[in-house]
Amino acid sequence: DTGVSQNPRHKITKRGQNVTFRCDPISEHNRLYWYRQTLGQGPEFLTYFQNEAQLEKSRLLSDRFSAERPKGSFSTLEIQRTEQGDSAMYLCASSLRTENTEAFFGQGTRLTVV
Amino acid sequence: KQEVTQIPAALSVPEGENLVLNCSFTDSAIYNLQWFRQDPGKGLTSLLLIQSSQREQTSGRLNASLDKSSGRSTLYIAASQPGDSATYLCPNQGGKLIFGQGTELSVKP
Repeated sequence: DTGVSQNPRHKITKRGQNVTFRCDPISEHNRLYWYRQTLGQGPEFLTYFQNEAQLEKSRLLSDRFSAERPKGSFSTLEIQRTEQGDSAMYLCASSLRTENTEAFFGQGTRLTVV
Repeated sequence: KQEVTQIPAALSVPEGENLVLNCSFTDSAIYNLQWFRQDPGKGLTSLLLIQSSQREQTSGRLNASLDKSSGRSTLYIAASQPGDSATYLCPNQGGKLIFGQGTELSVKP
């Protein structure tokens, strides 16, 4: 399967713990996006990369959130000191560089903070 | 700021009906328009991509159109089936994808 891969698929953590999610994009895609989705809502943009450069961060991405894409391939999203409000589905997508190409999503990581 | 509105928010139809889902944008500077479906608890599956130079795109029973001048897109589903039940999303793509809340479709057998 050469689609976008996200791990883990599910994560349950206690409030205050740190969590890290991984996204492996389609191999030739140089754009990578992170989104957060809560029940009944559309995905909310968090941040995106072009190769290893983080081009934009949403105001939703508080200081507790950090994303990296160190070698322009896979990406990680870390949440420090998790709060119950962080419970959501975290989605990753990738695409080629230009604005005229198709974006593909992974299956998401479901985070539950208890 | 680009915002996406999808109408209706929810739709329930009997199997076999043809239906139309609508999407509109506050900023008519639309680049690509990509329609997705999302099954409960799953990621997004790409259905159709209309590039900025195109006006419509077809795939099987699906036809999507884009009117850049009015900032609107429609997704037409012919002969709907229970397997079409999902949430449909139509983000605008300009550097990043901007989503509305989607249309939740239920097709009853």
